[in-house]
Amino acid sequence: NAGVMQNPRHLVRRRGQEARLRCSPMKGHSHVYWYRQLPEEGLKFMVYLQKENIIDESGMPKERFSAEFPKEGPSILRIQQVVRGDSAAYFCASSLDRVEREKLFFGSGTQLSVL
Amino acid sequence: AQKITQTQPGMFVQEKEAVTLDCTYDTSDPSYGLFWYKQPSSGEMIFLIYQGSYDQQNATEGRYSLNFQKARKSANLVISASQLGDSAMYFCAMRVQGGSEKLVFGKGTKLTVNP
Repeated sequence: NAGVMQNPRHLVRRRGQEARLRCSPMKGHSHVYWYRQLPEEGLKFMVYLQKENIIDESGMPKERFSAEFPKEGPSILRIQQVVRGDSAAYFCASSLDRVEREKLFFGSGTQLSVL
Repeated sequence: AQKITQTQPGMFVQEKEAVTLDCTYDTSDPSYGLFWYKQPSSGEMIFLIYQGSYDQQNATEGRYSLNFQKARKSANLVISASQLGDSAMYFCAMRVQGGSEKLVFGKGTKLTVNP
């Protein structure tokens, strides 16, 4: 069973460009979570999605950030008009359902660098 | 609001010795889960151990055990027989059941195992 797959592993963007981060959950998992890790910090929750639904986006910045988890295909975290402060590691995690809450598996992350 | 505190920015231990990484938490909810993750220099987040607030016994997973003291709101990670490969960042996290599914992370402890 493949784990949570994130790509790209590293992404470099210039200020003002768009960044698209992809996350394919583990097979059979329908719950996806996105977290951001700033240097020397722990992970901070951004958004929780189920297929075609955003369940909790309380950690998402109000502007420029959006997330989706379509019926088919990976979950996408999209950052428009990136700024230097967006430079961070972005992690995706997936779980099977609400019952097995402790079984939350993380991907290897995408390191976003904004020049 | 939920909060995780890890007071040890860095810890050193000799190979084959045991080490305890501290974690205290703050929540008013009666039902919650506590997690420990390992983040090696390669960046991925590796699940180590989980403790539910209603679990009667302390969780154990191989060389990892969780010293859960509910009255003190502490969930310390004990690593026995340290190995060089244990050198990494360690994060404590909490999830409140029944509400948002998000994990709240501490800032982490950097563990260095010396030969």
